[in-house]
Amino acid sequence: DVKVTQSSRYLVKRTGEKVFLECVQDMDHENMFWYRQDPGLGLRLIYFSYDVKMKEKGDIPEGYSVSREKKERFSLILESASTNQTSMYLCASSPRTSKQETQYFGPGTRLLVL
Amino acid sequence: AQSVTQLGSHVSVSEGALVLLRCNYSSSVPPYLFWYVQYPNQGLQLLLKYTTGATLVKGINGFEAEFKKSETSFHLTKPSAHMSDAAEYFCAVGGAGNTPLVFGKGTRLSVIA
Repeated sequence: DVKVTQSSRYLVKRTGEKVFLECVQDMDHENMFWYRQDPGLGLRLIYFSYDVKMKEKGDIPEGYSVSREKKERFSLILESASTNQTSMYLCASSPRTSKQETQYFGPGTRLLVL
Repeated sequence: AQSVTQLGSHVSVSEGALVLLRCNYSSSVPPYLFWYVQYPNQGLQLLLKYTTGATLVKGINGFEAEFKKSETSFHLTKPSAHMSDAAEYFCAVGGAGNTPLVFGKGTRLSVIA
């Protein structure tokens, strides 16, 4: 079974702090994704990566950056956390093929910024 | 460009009743369509997906969905709701290759005893 793990289930940070959210997958997937989920807005794509050291902006990249130094790990960074970044953050991975493959999701990190 | 519209942010059914969750999509390329389910405090897990071929797709837990190109729809159904089906359901559309999925806003399903 594919396993996607996220470093924390719940996180409380203060405004202005630098926040790191880590995601690790164990299935050698090339593609990795970061979403945020807010009530009534569904999932919105923040950043994605098709390979090591590659990154692409999603729909809402402002205020976020990412790092992918190893194939299995994709980190989301909030350079200076703000209260409007309070949300549920979901990581996903999928294999790279010519088709559209299933994305496998981690359990999510619920971030509260005070 | 692709988009997904899920009709109804909240659907409530009685236990044993038919479940129907509506999804309409827009896509300029042949679509790949997915339904995911999210139980409270968990990530999303795949219910079923349409790639090519048979338009009626069967998934886990007795759910199925039918791809109707003429109606640009991919509605999710289950003949008889169970209490354990209470969750949030997301429809998603993607194109071939590595284009990211586009998700709908989700439909919360409540099942009443």
